[in-house]
Amino acid sequence: EPEVTQTPSHQVTQMGQEVILRCVPISNHLYFYWYRQILGQKVEFLVSFYNNEISEKSEIFDDQFSVERPDGSNFTLKIRSTKLEDSAMYFCASSQTEQYFGPGTRLTVT
Amino acid sequence: AQSVSQHNHHVILSEAASLELGCNYSYGGTVNLFWYVQYPGQHLQLLLKYFSGDPLVKGIKGFEAEFIKSKFSFNLRKPSVQWSDTAEYFCAVNYGGSQGNLIFGKGTKLSVKP
Repeated sequence: EPEVTQTPSHQVTQMGQEVILRCVPISNHLYFYWYRQILGQKVEFLVSFYNNEISEKSEIFDDQFSVERPDGSNFTLKIRSTKLEDSAMYFCASSQTEQYFGPGTRLTVT
Repeated sequence: AQSVSQHNHHVILSEAASLELGCNYSYGGTVNLFWYVQYPGQHLQLLLKYFSGDPLVKGIKGFEAEFIKSKFSFNLRKPSVQWSDTAEYFCAVNYGGSQGNLIFGKGTKLSVKP
């Protein structure tokens, strides 16, 4: 069964550094999403992406964040200058109708 | 703001007990409703979904959920739980089109004692 994959599974970075989280969505899906879950809190929507552009974004998704689909398979989330409060589990999802989630990347900002 | 509430934070049951997990969402017009499960160490997996039609939907692993529009609820049920159902369960909603972002509840941790 096709799956959404994410790399790395765990990323440790220092405050102020840039990080890129990578996702490979399910191949025939057209809609892509990033969510995050801070420890002990709800899963929160960050951004959705369709037809090579952002279709919706939350107030969390400020200028420090960007998304890209650099080729036909990858979907990336970049955080330009990480802050301590960016530490969270980041989930990628893709969909045709319902959303399928990847295993997540645990980002730790020190 | 649109929101999803899951009333139970942690539920502990013995095997063969029946399960009902509550989920309520705030009014916002047309909704699509989902339950996801996250087994220990694994990713979010879709259990079942409701888009339209029969308000009683059946999902994988013997789970079902009932959409009650008048109560803004979408409770998850299973007649007889197994130890392998130990996991965290998340209710989620999107408003309008099915491709919209999901709004999640806080999750309910289910522990099933063998």
